[in-house]
Amino acid sequence: EVQLVESGGGLVQPGGSLRLSCAASGFTFSSYWMSWVRQAPGKGLEWVANIKKDGSEKYYVDSVKGRFTISRDNAKNSLYLQMNSLRVEDTAVYYCARHFDYSYGPWGQGTLVTVSS
Amino acid sequence: DIVMTQTPLSSPVTLGQPASISCRSSQSLIYSDGNTYLSWLQQRPGQPPRLLIYKISNRFSGVPDRFSGSGAGTDFTLKISRVEAEDVGVYYCMQATQFPWTFGQGTRVEIK
Repeated sequence: EVQLVESGGGLVQPGGSLRLSCAASGFTFSSYWMSWVRQAPGKGLEWVANIKKDGSEKYYVDSVKGRFTISRDNAKNSLYLQMNSLRVEDTAVYYCARHFDYSYGPWGQGTLVTVSS
Repeated sequence: DIVMTQTPLSSPVTLGQPASISCRSSQSLIYSDGNTYLSWLQQRPGQPPRLLIYKISNRFSGVPDRFSGSGAGTDFTLKISRVEAEDVGVYYCMQATQFPWTFGQGTRVEIK
C-alpha cells in the first residue's frame, strides 16, 4: 500500500523555524517527483514546493522563496521541508503528495504548522 | 498564473440523485504534448485530499465508477451519478498544464 506520513509540525513563534518530514512507503520513492501542498485553516489548497526525482530541480511558490527549502533522501525514502523565518500567514496543514501523471496522488495525512506569538 | 473558477460553491444534493460541478480555467489547459492536465480531488471532512480524476476523465485507482469527468479546453465538469453519504466533502479542480499548478476554490457537496 502506498503511504505518506508527515511529521514535524507544531507551534512556533514568528521568525522561527521548523523542519517537516514525510516518510514514504509502498512505492519506488526515487521514481517520483514530490510536492508539499498547504491548506490554511478553513481555506483551499496551495502548492508550496516540489522536487525532481533525483533532487536536481526544485521549485517554490513566490511567497516562500528564500525562506523554505525542499529536499529529499532517496536512500531513506523521505521528503523534507525546512521552513525558516516563519510568518503568521504560513499557518496551515502541510501535506506531502506524490506526483502522478501531472496530478497529486496519493496525499499524506498532513501536519499542522501554527505560527503565533 | 492560471485561475481556476468552480461553480457552484455549494451543492446540496439528495442521496441517490446526481450531482455536477463545473470548473473553468482562465486559459486553455491543452499542453504542448496534446494532453489536458485537469484533475479533480475530493476532501472529506477532516481528511486529506484524495485524487479522483486525472487528465479530464481518468479515474485514479480505487475510485468508484459513479465519478466521471469531462470537458475540454477551458471548461470541465465532474459528475457523480448517484450521490452516496460518503461523497460529502469539498471537491477541487486542479490544473497542471502551466506552472505553478493551481487549484479551484472548492465546491462543498452536502446532503439535503
